[in-house]
Amino acid sequence: AQKITQTQPGMFVQEKEAVTLDCTYDTSDQSYGLFWYKQPSSGEMIFLIYQGSYDEQNATEGRYSLNFQKARKSANLVISASQLGDSAMYFCAMREGVGATNKLIFGTGTLLAVQP
Amino acid sequence: ETGVTQSPTHLIKTRGQQVTLRCSSQSGHNTVSWYQQALGQGPQFIFQYYREEENGRGNFPPRFSGLQFPNYSSELNVNALELDDSALYLCASSLNPESRINEKLFFGSGTQLSVL
Repeated sequence: AQKITQTQPGMFVQEKEAVTLDCTYDTSDQSYGLFWYKQPSSGEMIFLIYQGSYDEQNATEGRYSLNFQKARKSANLVISASQLGDSAMYFCAMREGVGATNKLIFGTGTLLAVQP
Repeated sequence: ETGVTQSPTHLIKTRGQQVTLRCSSQSGHNTVSWYQQALGQGPQFIFQYYREEENGRGNFPPRFSGLQFPNYSSELNVNALELDDSALYLCASSLNPESRINEKLFFGSGTQLSVL
């Protein structure tokens, strides 16, 4: 069964430093997609970055990059030059294969606190 | 372009009651899915609606039901509320019902339901 594991319940980082949020996944499919979402205290889930299982290069979106290690089944999010506004919950999610729905499987999240 | 909007933002109910949550999808999006996010957990997929029909469902009992209207807005109905139904309910919209691997979901800010 597909599963997402985020082992860091909480992380601290100093403003302007980089931070890595860990994510490992489990799937038997060859074709899958990995997503990272940010959830501030307002509750809305904000899309950050996407990585496809067949993508050869690591995805980047501005200050966000995804360290994709397929053999290890890991998809860690790297945030460079942290800002105070980055303080939020971060969720790793997976979509498996091609089917009838856009269903995402989420991990339990990591709470990031950026300190001035 | 308007984003996903949900109402109400907060709701308090007692066990055994029924509740209706509402969602307006992002402009141009024809597919709506609902997620339940319990405290300290990641969102869990409840179901997805496309063309006013449910076309995918997660592991939730039948007392969780929904509707989608011709304007693509949606309702989530929960009957016979239980204490464990207390959670943040998130609505997400997307352009396509089929699981394209890289299809992004756009989320609303959710409805916080408390069952006493």
